[in-house]
Amino acid sequence: DAGVIQSPRHEVTEMGQEVTLRCKPISGHNSLFWYRQTMMRGLELLIYFNNNVPIDDSGMPEDRFSAKMPNASFSTLKIQPSEPRDSAVYFCASSFNRAMQPQHFGDGTRLSIL
Amino acid sequence: KNEVEQSPQNLTAQEGEFITINCSYSVGISALHWLQQHPGGGIVSLFMLSSGKKKHGRLIATINIQEKHSSLHITASHPRDSAVYICAVLSNFGNEKLTFGTGTRLTIIP
Repeated sequence: DAGVIQSPRHEVTEMGQEVTLRCKPISGHNSLFWYRQTMMRGLELLIYFNNNVPIDDSGMPEDRFSAKMPNASFSTLKIQPSEPRDSAVYFCASSFNRAMQPQHFGDGTRLSIL
Repeated sequence: KNEVEQSPQNLTAQEGEFITINCSYSVGISALHWLQQHPGGGIVSLFMLSSGKKKHGRLIATINIQEKHSSLHITASHPRDSAVYICAVLSNFGNEKLTFGTGTRLTIIP
């Protein structure tokens, strides 16, 4: 079975540019999570969706970050305009929204803002 | 103080040694995850538990809800076990938000 699919795997861009990260969750999963991982702060939840609806976006750092889930099989995380401090690995994960169901992580997008 | 604390932060051991990684948390939880991340790699969920003990191969995870503490054990450690092990807790507030520890970097020397 295909796992969580993220694209691109790597992105290098100049500050001020718009960055769009993409995620395809595991088919049938109804919860989707966006995480950011940095050396300084470790793993942090940015936002999560349940049945395509954003449930908790308290981790989104500022208005430059936005996330959408237009349907059950696709989500985007957008940064506009990007800044060097946004450099991190961004992970997407999905799960069944039921008791004791683990989250399945994608391979991550390594983002470098120059 | 972080809600989830792991110890040690770094651990180096010889191949074959018994490994213990600890996780303490300060909030009420409904479940606790142990995750594994290899260098430059993705994140894999090893265990999700809310009570007692779970075993998978050479890995054992235990949790004591009263003491708010969990341990991850590795028996007969192998260089391929070298990775960062991350503890994460799911609060009992009814949402799915995970709070992560800072991770334990394990290095097994052949």
